Amino acid sequence: DSGVTQTPKHLITATGQRVTLRCSPRSGDLSVYWYQQSLDQGLQFLIQYYNGEERAKGNILERFSAQQFPDLHSELNLSSLELGDSALYFCASSALGTGDYGYTFGSGTRLTVV
Amino acid sequence: AQKVTQAQTEISVVEKEDVTLDCVYETRDTTYYLFWYKQPPSGELVFLIRRNSFDEQNEISGRYSWNFQKSTSSFNFTITASQVVDSAVYFCALIETTDSWGKLQFGAGTQVVVTP
Repeated sequence: DSGVTQTPKHLITATGQRVTLRCSPRSGDLSVYWYQQSLDQGLQFLIQYYNGEERAKGNILERFSAQQFPDLHSELNLSSLELGDSALYFCASSALGTGDYGYTFGSGTRLTVV
Repeated sequence: AQKVTQAQTEISVVEKEDVTLDCVYETRDTTYYLFWYKQPPSGELVFLIRRNSFDEQNEISGRYSWNFQKSTSSFNFTITASQVVDSAVYFCALIETTDSWGKLQFGAGTQVVVTP
């Protein structure tokens, strides 16, 4: 157990639907990062939160949004889902805002859009 | 532009052979961090090593070793005496410190297949 908890582990949903992925960071970590791993795009950074505030944005679609709550857990909301959104979504946490001490990754949520 | 290049898409070896995975990175930062992660078939990302740009010492951890050469912007990874359990996708990644919030930039990954 890495200490980063992602739920659910698997999600199957239909096109056009909306889903929420949840991440609880390792105890004490203030930073949460979201990554998407798809077959054609590889591992892509989506967004980062630090102590409740958005700090960095990557290749995140406008249909996607995220937030970090006061208890530091984070949620990634994916709406108007398309087949191409099928991917493995990882959450990671780190102790510092810069992340230079490395990350702890969760086990991922595998999203299948049918 | 891709900052981390892993030119080898797939490497197949027979058990007990050595395998070297290449990683070439690109950055203008003087301070940066390099990582290797392993992704076994189960899908999780397993941290293997972190190296900062000021530490060019090679490192050995059991059957794993890493060769960091700033002159060629490379951070190669060798598995000695490979085992079937080493079969996985291996990712090299970079954090640039001008991006102060430290996102990881991954290479495309190298699939290692070790057959008995």
